Amino acid sequence: AQKVTQAQTEISVVEKEDVTLDCVYETRDTTYYLFWYKQPPSGELVFLIRRNSFDEQNEISGRYSWNFQKSTSSFNFTITASQVVDSAVYFCALNDYKLSFGAGTTVTVRA
Amino acid sequence: DTGVSQNPRHKITKRGQNVTFRCDPISEHNRLYWYRQTLGQGPEFLTYFQNEAQLEKSRLLSDRFSAERPKGSFSTLEIQRTEQGDSAMYLCASSLEGRDTEAFFGQGTRLTVV
Repeated sequence: AQKVTQAQTEISVVEKEDVTLDCVYETRDTTYYLFWYKQPPSGELVFLIRRNSFDEQNEISGRYSWNFQKSTSSFNFTITASQVVDSAVYFCALNDYKLSFGAGTTVTVRA
Repeated sequence: DTGVSQNPRHKITKRGQNVTFRCDPISEHNRLYWYRQTLGQGPEFLTYFQNEAQLEKSRLLSDRFSAERPKGSFSTLEIQRTEQGDSAMYLCASSLEGRDTEAFFGQGTRLTVV
């Protein structure tokens, strides 16, 4: 069975601080795909990033970066220099023909 | 294409009534998913379609729930004899085939059973 755990329930930061969101997953598949989604107050889930299990290279895209470590089954996500518009709930998800989501981490960025 | 569209956005119904929600996916997407989300939780998978075929249903989907996707286009989710525990946000998403493709979500239908 697929399982995604996001241990952090809420994170509050001041604008321009970095925010790192933790994600730990469980799967028996050898090939799998991990995603991060953002859910702003409007409610619509928005795709942010994707990583496949056979590529552990960490990447940076604008203010977003991610750290994928297969050995610890972790897929952490960092927002650099946070902005108020980053305030949202962030979900980590594992794809096995359907997305299995974690419980989400609420990020509040204060001006 | 304006993305995934869901109607209605909000629905208030009395316990025991039937409700039906509609989802219009992105036109070229052959996969369509239904999820349910309650406050403070991540979306929970309910069912998904590839074209018109319903390929998987969650154990969460009791026999009061039924979903259809006629002709592989829009989809409907019907809940019969609603219960207060059915109150939630119902999310629809669509994607191309493949586990590496991202799903695009609609804004959801918020159901309140009173």
